[in-house]
Amino acid sequence: AQKVTQAQTEISVVEKEDVTLDCVYETRDTTYYLFWYKQPPSGELVFLIRRNSFDEQNEISGRYSWNFQKSTSSFNFTITASQVVDSAVYFCALSEIWGAQKLVFGQGTRLTINP
Amino acid sequence: DTGVSQDPRHKITKRGQNVTFRCDPISEHNRLYWYRQTLGQGPEFLTYFQNEAQLEKSRLLSDRFSAERPKGSFSTLEIQRTEQGDSAMYLCASSSVGQTQYFGPGTRLLVL
Repeated sequence: AQKVTQAQTEISVVEKEDVTLDCVYETRDTTYYLFWYKQPPSGELVFLIRRNSFDEQNEISGRYSWNFQKSTSSFNFTITASQVVDSAVYFCALSEIWGAQKLVFGQGTRLTINP
Repeated sequence: DTGVSQDPRHKITKRGQNVTFRCDPISEHNRLYWYRQTLGQGPEFLTYFQNEAQLEKSRLLSDRFSAERPKGSFSTLEIQRTEQGDSAMYLCASSSVGQTQYFGPGTRLLVL
């Protein structure tokens, strides 16, 4: 069975600080996808990134970066120079590459950026 | 291109009543997914369609729940004889096969 664990329930930082959100996953599949979604107070899940399990290159997009380490089954998300608009609940998710590709989500990390 | 839309955005009902939610996917997407999210938890998969065929249902989907996607376009999720435990956010997502799922704004259900 697949499982995603986000051990940090809530994180609160001051604006401009860097913050890392942790994600650890379990799967018996040899190939899979990993995702991060953002859920602002409005409730809609906003897609941030998808990674294939066979591509372990880290990725950077503006202030966002992702560190994928297959050896530790982790897919961590770092926000550099955080801003108040980054405040949201962030979800890490996992899916199979074939078949239904249904998403298995972690419990989410509530990130609060204080001015 | 418009995103995924859901209607209604909020629904308050009394226990025992039936409710129906609608999801309109991104037009070129042939897959449509339903998830349920309770307070403080991540979304959980309920069911999905590829075109008009319902290909998988979670064991979370009791026999009081039914979903349809006639003609492979919009989908409806009906809950019969609602219970207080059905109170949750119901999220719809769509995708093309093998591609990323994009979510709608969700329908918040409160059963009194």
